[in-house]
Amino acid sequence: GESVGLHLPTLSVQEGDNSIINCAYSNSASDYFIWYKQESGKGPQFIIDIRSNMDKRQGQRVTVLLNKTVKHLSLQIAATQPGDSAVYFCAEKIGYSTLTFGKGTMLLVSP
Amino acid sequence: DTGVSQNPRHKITKRGQNVTFRCDPISEHNRLYWYRQTLGQGPEFLTYFQNEAQLEKSRLLSDRFSAERPKGSFSTLEIQRTEQGDSAMYLCASSFGSQGETQYFGPGTRLLVL
Repeated sequence: GESVGLHLPTLSVQEGDNSIINCAYSNSASDYFIWYKQESGKGPQFIIDIRSNMDKRQGQRVTVLLNKTVKHLSLQIAATQPGDSAVYFCAEKIGYSTLTFGKGTMLLVSP
Repeated sequence: DTGVSQNPRHKITKRGQNVTFRCDPISEHNRLYWYRQTLGQGPEFLTYFQNEAQLEKSRLLSDRFSAERPKGSFSTLEIQRTEQGDSAMYLCASSFGSQGETQYFGPGTRLLVL
């Protein structure tokens, strides 16, 4: 299920389930979006990115979906593993500007 | 290891002291970024360099903060007269190209100001 924790929304899933992490971005002019995974005590790790001229992009076990009409971005993780447990951030960018990060979602995967 | 490196990884200092952090980007990456991250929040942009030129600074970057990238390779971030509110993780990232979308992050320097 999904719950709002003290600091971060949290998604708890069982190993092997598919996970969907959602992100509402702020600027309709944003033309580039990126997902990062951050484990405790480490820097953000690049997962996948997508440009605004696309609505779907697939990587290894991950898919990013972009819905510009409602300014919504999602990250789908197939066959979630305990090693996927981390905080996931979406970020957006307009042209040459810098990245603006969302608040993050904690993913907890139970064996 | 060819990723972004940061030193030190941890720094504890007393209020009022100056601290300096170093970032070594991925070689050949012409853009270097500094971010600050507090617990439960996403990284917040501070400043970035294209080669040795500092092109943008956030309003978060007070006069006590200064960053340099003198030879267009490594960068330093200095905080003068540290305050308890400066306690955070300081992240460095680098990218390649004129738009440099994909930023690769280092492990960060965690600062605690007592």
